[in-house]
Amino acid sequence: EVQLVESGGGLVQPGGSLRLSCAASGFTFNDYWMDWVRQAPGKGLEWVANINQDGSEKYFVDSVKGRFTISRDNAKNSLYLQMNSLRAEDTAVYYCARALVYWGQGTLVTVSS
Amino acid sequence: DIQMTQSPSSLSASVGDRVTITCRASQGIRNDLVWYQQKPGKAPKRLIYAASSLHSGVPSRFSGSGSGTEFTLTISSLQPEDFATYYCLQHNSYPRTFGQGTKVEI
Repeated sequence: EVQLVESGGGLVQPGGSLRLSCAASGFTFNDYWMDWVRQAPGKGLEWVANINQDGSEKYFVDSVKGRFTISRDNAKNSLYLQMNSLRAEDTAVYYCARALVYWGQGTLVTVSS
Repeated sequence: DIQMTQSPSSLSASVGDRVTITCRASQGIRNDLVWYQQKPGKAPKRLIYAASSLHSGVPSRFSGSGSGTEFTLTISSLQPEDFATYYCLQHNSYPRTFGQGTKVEI
């Protein structure tokens, strides 16, 4: 069974940083692209970033370019999202997803003073 | 960026109704379109991929059609468990973009 478990969310002040993790199990992690998608409270879904199987290709939505980085550790079956210079508009539930097919349950990031 | 325009944004329906949701892309995306269902407090679940292929385990009352710029999701006979929000997603180009969602209410 595919399992994706996000962690690392929480309350952070504007301008601060946070690192999200996604622990994967139930499949061969290094066979798949991995994505991060977010959802602001009461709003729709927004794709954030993705990374290919060996980490050599990465793509980002414009609103996070230069602030967020995506990485993976295939030995640890883990996906990461490093978020810097956080803004109030980054407040959202962040989901990791296996190739946008299977999704974790999300972790809430709140950016507020 | 490719804009995905979903309509309607919400609809009211009854059990047994046929429901159709439309998604229009601002430029051609071949059949690189996915439909998701999301219930409150839960992660989205894939229903349809490649515009018209049913994801494993999804009831056959769900169907998708379209290619290019216009796509539809149809629920042939709405069931109580289908009341949820539905999103389309294009994965033809970056950034990936979602429609704004359609909330299906009783």
